[in-house]
Amino acid sequence: GEDVEQSLFLSVREGDSSVINCTYTDSSSTYLYWYKQEPGAGLQLLTYIFSNMDMKQDQRLTVLLNKKDKHLSLRIADTQTGDSAIYFCAETGSSYKLIFGSGTRLLVRP
Amino acid sequence: GAVVSQHPSWVICKSGTSVKIECRSLDFQATTMFWYRQFPKQSLMLMATSNEGSKATYEQGVEKDKFLINHASLTLSTLTVTSAHPEDSSFYICSARDLIGLAENYNEQFFGPGTRLTVL
Repeated sequence: GEDVEQSLFLSVREGDSSVINCTYTDSSSTYLYWYKQEPGAGLQLLTYIFSNMDMKQDQRLTVLLNKKDKHLSLRIADTQTGDSAIYFCAETGSSYKLIFGSGTRLLVRP
Repeated sequence: GAVVSQHPSWVICKSGTSVKIECRSLDFQATTMFWYRQFPKQSLMLMATSNEGSKATYEQGVEKDKFLINHASLTLSTLTVTSAHPEDSSFYICSARDLIGLAENYNEQFFGPGTRLTVL
């Protein structure tokens, strides 16, 4: 079945770059997403990438997609304390359902 | 635009009672709404997909008689947890899909802020 995996935890110093990685198994994925969840809140869509793209940049966010290896990454430049949250990658394949990874907790140290 | 609300934001109930959670799309019409469940420090698990005017489609392992879903209008879906038990305590999140205008891609889902249910 479809599976999405992420590392559980990442700690960075304020001002450094953060890179959060994700792997997925569904080769028919059409869109891949990055969501941010702050404590006790719902999910905020950060960015998404269509499966025929290799890279997408949106201000401090850069998404890289290696479709051959089924690997997705999110780079946050100049990470701030307000970026501390849980980051979920998700994919939609042949169905419209979102399949989420387990989430990566990002801690930004001052 | 593309705001989804949930009510209540949190609820505490006694075991055996039923709890209704509402999910509303405030500024768009949602033909499809989704209900997710999230355990502490875990991912979101899709429970069911709800289409306006038709029966919900439940994921494998989700009891449809336990989790009643109604999507009576294009802006409202409700999830009723019937005869709640402590193991039903969780964070329930809904999302809505707008096929018509607001999303940059047709698959985009807009998420509500979640409802924390605690069953004593």
